[in-house]
Amino acid sequence: DAGITQSPRHKVTETGTPVTLRCHQTENHRYMYWYRQDPGHGLRLIHYSYGVKDTDKGEVSDGYSVSRSKTEDFLLTLESATSSQTSVYFCAISEARRDGYTFGSGTRLTVV
Amino acid sequence: DAKTTQPPSMDCAEGRAANLPCNHSTISGNEYVYWYRQIHSQGPQYIIHGLKNNETNEMASLIITEDRKSSTLILPHATLRDTAVYYCIVRVAENAGNMLTFGGGTRLMVKP
Repeated sequence: DAGITQSPRHKVTETGTPVTLRCHQTENHRYMYWYRQDPGHGLRLIHYSYGVKDTDKGEVSDGYSVSRSKTEDFLLTLESATSSQTSVYFCAISEARRDGYTFGSGTRLTVV
Repeated sequence: DAKTTQPPSMDCAEGRAANLPCNHSTISGNEYVYWYRQIHSQGPQYIIHGLKNNETNEMASLIITEDRKSSTLILPHATLRDTAVYYCIVRVAENAGNMLTFGGGTRLMVKP
C-alpha cells in the first residue's frame, strides 16, 4: 500500500541468528503495529507503538523486541530466531485510535 | 473486546451483491464493528467501520442491527477481484494502542 513499506520482502535465516525486519511509513501516522500470520491463527499482534520510543506488547510478544526511534520507522527484532517464528509478518499504521489500519505487503520469514 | 462469529465460507455470483454476516452478540456499547479483507498473500485491507448507524463508502455498506448484536457487510456488485477472506472485528476504539484482533474470517469466493 502507498505510504508503508516493509523490508525485506523475503528472508531465509538460520536458527539462532538475530533478524531485524523494518517497517517504514511516509504518512506520519502515530500508531504502528507488527502482526504475524500463520495458517489457522489469523493475524496475531506482536508489538505496537503509539509514538516515538513508546511501545507495548501484544499477545505473542515472546522472542520479539521492537524499537521506534523515529516516527517513520518501526523495527521488529527476533533476538535468536527459532523455527516457530517462521511466518508472514505484517506491519500496519493508523493515524488515530478509531481509524482503520493500512497494512504493508508483508515479509515472509523462513527460519531453517 | 467482544468475539465475533462468521461463516467460514460463502459463494457469490459475479455482479451480484455479496452479503457477509457477522454475529457479535456480546458487543458492548462502546465497541465498534470493523471490516477488513485479505486477498491471497497480500496485506489486509481496511473496508469500513461503524458504531450503530449504517455506513457506506466507495467499497461497501455496513448494516448494523438495532440491537447491535449482528451486522452485514454488503459488496453491492461483487467482482472476481473481491474474492478474499473477510474479517469482522469488534473493538473499543479507545483501546490502548488501537489494537485489532483478527479471527478466522469468511472466505468469499466470487464466481463467474
